[in-house]
Amino acid sequence: RKEVEQDPGPFNVPEGATVAFNCTYSNSASQSFFWYRQDCRKEPKLLMSVYSSGNEDGRFTAQLNRASQYISLLIRDSKLSDSATYLCVANRYGQNFVFGPGTRLSVLP
Amino acid sequence: DAGVTQSPTHLIKTRGQQVTLRCSPKSGHDTVSWYQQALGQGPQFIFQYYEEEERQRGNFPDRFSGHQFPNYSSELNVNALLLGDSALYLCASSFRQDQSPLHFGNGTRLTVT
Repeated sequence: RKEVEQDPGPFNVPEGATVAFNCTYSNSASQSFFWYRQDCRKEPKLLMSVYSSGNEDGRFTAQLNRASQYISLLIRDSKLSDSATYLCVANRYGQNFVFGPGTRLSVLP
Repeated sequence: DAGVTQSPTHLIKTRGQQVTLRCSPKSGHDTVSWYQQALGQGPQFIFQYYEEEERQRGNFPDRFSGHQFPNYSSELNVNALLLGDSALYLCASSFRQDQSPLHFGNGTRLTVT
């Protein structure tokens, strides 16, 4: 079993739709979590950190459930520019960042 | 504020050859991690350098080696290249080994023929 798993996708949604991505992690010692966005053939870029209390950044909301070892990302009012691969990341202090395989999103006009 | 820079951008090598990739971390960062990303997959951790020493290593063979210099820049060396080494190699920097997010360079796309 991979340490970080994600919905494989792809997700094809119309502009304006709300889409949710799920991620699970297997190492209960993981302490920090992030969502990265990766455009085709580009480097991953930090989208947002994920906090235990949940956090929101504009149209993006991240949730963490430590008991279930589950992370989610919600995108509201999808834009064409949101089309990308979304990578879920878990980290333990002093250890390497572990990336999930990514979920591809295509927002259609 | 200079971000993470990697060179070269693209590289084509033949099986059995050796390659060296270079990375300069973001200003203020002292830790460099290297990742390999095959097409359609998430980045896979190769190793991390801090204070010029390899601190952690992922599940990669000894053909993959690295170095960190006093100015925090780093090199990734791959010997005896295999076709399967074709991938995007990403360098990421951070401050110390704490849990602050990684900042990635543009990557080096390596093709082994």
